[in-house]
Amino acid sequence: DAKTTQPNSMESNEEEPVHLPCNHSTISGTDYIHWYRQLPSQGPEYVIHGLTSNVNNRMASLAIAEDRKSSTLILHRATLRDAAVYYCILRDPPNTGNQFYFGTGTSLTVIP
Amino acid sequence: DARVTQTPRHKVTEMGQEVTMRCQPILGHNTVFWYRQTMMQGLELLAYFRNRAPLDDSGMPKDRFSAEMPDATLATLKIQPSEPRDSAVYFCASGLVQTGVRGFTEAFFGQGTRLTVV
Repeated sequence: DAKTTQPNSMESNEEEPVHLPCNHSTISGTDYIHWYRQLPSQGPEYVIHGLTSNVNNRMASLAIAEDRKSSTLILHRATLRDAAVYYCILRDPPNTGNQFYFGTGTSLTVIP
Repeated sequence: DARVTQTPRHKVTEMGQEVTMRCQPILGHNTVFWYRQTMMQGLELLAYFRNRAPLDDSGMPKDRFSAEMPDATLATLKIQPSEPRDSAVYFCASGLVQTGVRGFTEAFFGQGTRLTVV
């Protein structure tokens, strides 16, 4: 499984934008980039995913570098409820199946 | 509101006892995952089923762990005999793989079963 590298922790002020980086220099051409987050005492939940183009949904935006070796999850206005561990994951369903592997993630602290 | 249901939410058992954790995937989903989470190891994939067939259980200790799907509405993870090092939170997740569509977009996780083996 392709590896991802994320900072262990980040802080953000409430109502400020947050940019969570992820490096995946060994990404293959068929790997999708997924983001999940895990709130305290909860199971992980899906945030967003993409392949090559930038993506937006109601939760966040995903900016993917042109060479696809890195990506950034953008929370436009952090709230206290966004405090969680954010995981960047690569998946390649046609070749390696639909299972996915979590790394250590980035623990986001939101400061009131 | 469709959700993955795991039972029990908490389980305390003595070393050597059998433990069975249950998962009800979201109706219509054809893919089920079992994960284990500890502080030391983080989230580890134990097993992965599609259409009730195990596709990958390479992350599961075979000597004491077993995972099955007796039917499409129930997945089970058993530990026999249990050991203190099995103490962890066990998560089940489900998703839908659609024919002709590349993979699926998201997996839905349950609330987990917190297992303590003393």
